[in-house]
Amino acid sequence: QKEVEQDPGPLSVPEGAIVSLNCTYSNSAFQYFMWYRQYSRKGPELLMYTYSSGNKEDGRFTAQVDKSSKYISLFIRDSQPSDSATYLCARPTHGSGNTGKLIFGQGTTLQVKP
Amino acid sequence: DAEITQSPRHKITETGRQVTLACHQTWNHNNMFWYRQDLGHGLRLIHYSYGVQDTNKGEVSDGYSVSRSNTEDLPLTLESAASSQTSVYFCASSESSNQPQHFGDGTRLSIL
Repeated sequence: QKEVEQDPGPLSVPEGAIVSLNCTYSNSAFQYFMWYRQYSRKGPELLMYTYSSGNKEDGRFTAQVDKSSKYISLFIRDSQPSDSATYLCARPTHGSGNTGKLIFGQGTTLQVKP
Repeated sequence: DAEITQSPRHKITETGRQVTLACHQTWNHNNMFWYRQDLGHGLRLIHYSYGVQDTNKGEVSDGYSVSRSNTEDLPLTLESAASSQTSVYFCASSESSNQPQHFGDGTRLSIL
């Protein structure tokens, strides 16, 4: 079993739709999570960074962590064609995050159609 | 603005050749990382460094080496390129071990 799993998609939605992207993980001994966005032929860029459980909101983006069910979600409201990208979730390799190393999911490819 | 740059952006080479991919960051970050990204595998860690003269093996380090002679650079060397090393390579850096990593735009390497 991979430590961080994502459905690779592709996920295709119409412009304006609410998008839900999800990750599941197998090890609960860590404190923070990240979502990266990767456009075609570009490097991943940090989108959101959240500690522990609960929600974090940044504009149209909301990250949600449910540690009891080991589930990480990213919601995009009013999706735009410019949101078309691959979304990667990541977590540190150890609970304290001291190593600085990350484990990434495979990424979910999102296409938002005008 | 501070940034992380990778060069070359694209390279084609032959099996058995030595190849070096450059990574340069101007943030003065201590931590630097090399990943490869392949379809079906996502990002996998090759090597990483916590500072000058420090290097560590990652998940898929066989056939690769790195050296850290200064803070800004972490070149990745393929000692004898193999077709299985055809991939997109990303370099990343972070200020400290509990801070997010920032990525370059990658090097697309093809080994024929």
